[in-house]
Amino acid sequence: QKEVEQNSGPLSVPEGAIASLNCTYSDRGSQSFFWYRQYSGKSPELIMSIYSNGDKEDGRFTAQLNKASQYVSLLIRDSQPSDSATYLCAVYYVSGNTGKLIFGQGTTLQVKP
Amino acid sequence: NAGVTQTPKFQVLKTGQSMTLQCAQDMNHNSMYWYRQDPGMGLRLIYYSASEGTTDKGEVPNGYNVSRLNKREFSLRLESAAPSQTSVYFCASSEAGWGDTSPTQYFGPGTRLTVL
Repeated sequence: QKEVEQNSGPLSVPEGAIASLNCTYSDRGSQSFFWYRQYSGKSPELIMSIYSNGDKEDGRFTAQLNKASQYVSLLIRDSQPSDSATYLCAVYYVSGNTGKLIFGQGTTLQVKP
Repeated sequence: NAGVTQTPKFQVLKTGQSMTLQCAQDMNHNSMYWYRQDPGMGLRLIYYSASEGTTDKGEVPNGYNVSRLNKREFSLRLESAAPSQTSVYFCASSEAGWGDTSPTQYFGPGTRLTVL
């Protein structure tokens, strides 16, 4: 069974600090990795996708992928109270002609003013 | 352009009752999905439809049925609701068809279902 693991938290950081969110996955054949943000009572929204080893930066967000270690992370620089949300890691698994996203349980981030 | 819409937003059922959750997308996406989300858990895939006319089981299909009515609409039916089906249900769609390695899924606002 394909698995995606995250620490459920909560992860608490002060405003302006760097928040580091981590995710591990079980299938070495996975090619696509995503970070979704979900505010309380709302639907998930995509904030980052990454497909190659290394770092991908978008504004204050950096996604990091290490396929050898089966590890993907999300760094949020200059954290703001508005970043307080649950962050879901998702891994795309392809089996035959079909593919599915498998989600981790999410990490709750609290940014304190 | 409404994206992905779901109806109803809230629903309370008694054990044994049936209902259908509706989902529609206006982005001309091939693939549509139904997930459930329980407290402290991520999203779990119930059923998905990679293209019009096809449906497949996900991680937790028991107790559910789906219909891909056309390219826009994908419904989820609970034939005999149970308290274990109390959850938030999300519909999603993506451009990806079969075997695509880089889908971006867009989610609807969710349906909050309580089964008493």
